[in-house]
Amino acid sequence: DQQVKQNSPSLSVQEGRISILNCDYTNSMFDYFLWYKKYPAEGPTFLISISSIKDKNEDGRFTVFLNKSAKHLSLHIVPSQPGDSAVYFCAASYSGTYKYIFGTGTRLKVLA
Amino acid sequence: EAQVTQNPRYLITVTGKKLTVTCSQNMNHEYMSWYRQDPGLGLRQIYYSMNVEVTDKGDVPEGYKVSRKEKRNFPLILESPSPNQTSLYFCASSGEGGQGRGEQYFGPGTRLTVT
Repeated sequence: DQQVKQNSPSLSVQEGRISILNCDYTNSMFDYFLWYKKYPAEGPTFLISISSIKDKNEDGRFTVFLNKSAKHLSLHIVPSQPGDSAVYFCAASYSGTYKYIFGTGTRLKVLA
Repeated sequence: EAQVTQNPRYLITVTGKKLTVTCSQNMNHEYMSWYRQDPGLGLRQIYYSMNVEVTDKGDVPEGYKVSRKEKRNFPLILESPSPNQTSLYFCASSGEGGQGRGEQYFGPGTRLTVT
């Protein structure tokens, strides 16, 4: 049972445009969410996180939106750059546990 | 330089031959964790550790063991590897007060093939 789902395996976006990566979850106990970026032959690197007490968090070109009622979060990258081409994973956790559940990833390709 | 190191980076072995993948971090982090990455399945947590001598199972612990005798090291042990453990393995650490609820720093990965 996949508790965290990234239904789009891949996404292509033109340089300078907005990239929107989506993530859905099923466990209503999740209260902390993160996005990681992964380049080939490297480990994932942290991008941005959001707690369930917020519905938006921004860091430079990256913004994460959380819709708790829909159990949905999204990562917006504006403007997209070729260096953003990577696999993006969303992850979720909840209080009282140290477990993390990751999605299956979305491969973003930013076209120059 | 703050980092998580894993060794070896690549390993090909045979079924049943015990192996250990080492993981070390130099950031004095309390929390450490192991993940495996498989096509179509994303990253799945194997084991995690909140501090020295404190470990617990993640989502896919079967066939693996861990130990946390020192804060900086968190080795992953496969006592009797099988082909279904062929995967890309990542170690990670986090210093968020031992809660692990923060940025995790990942190692570069270990690609394991079991024949």
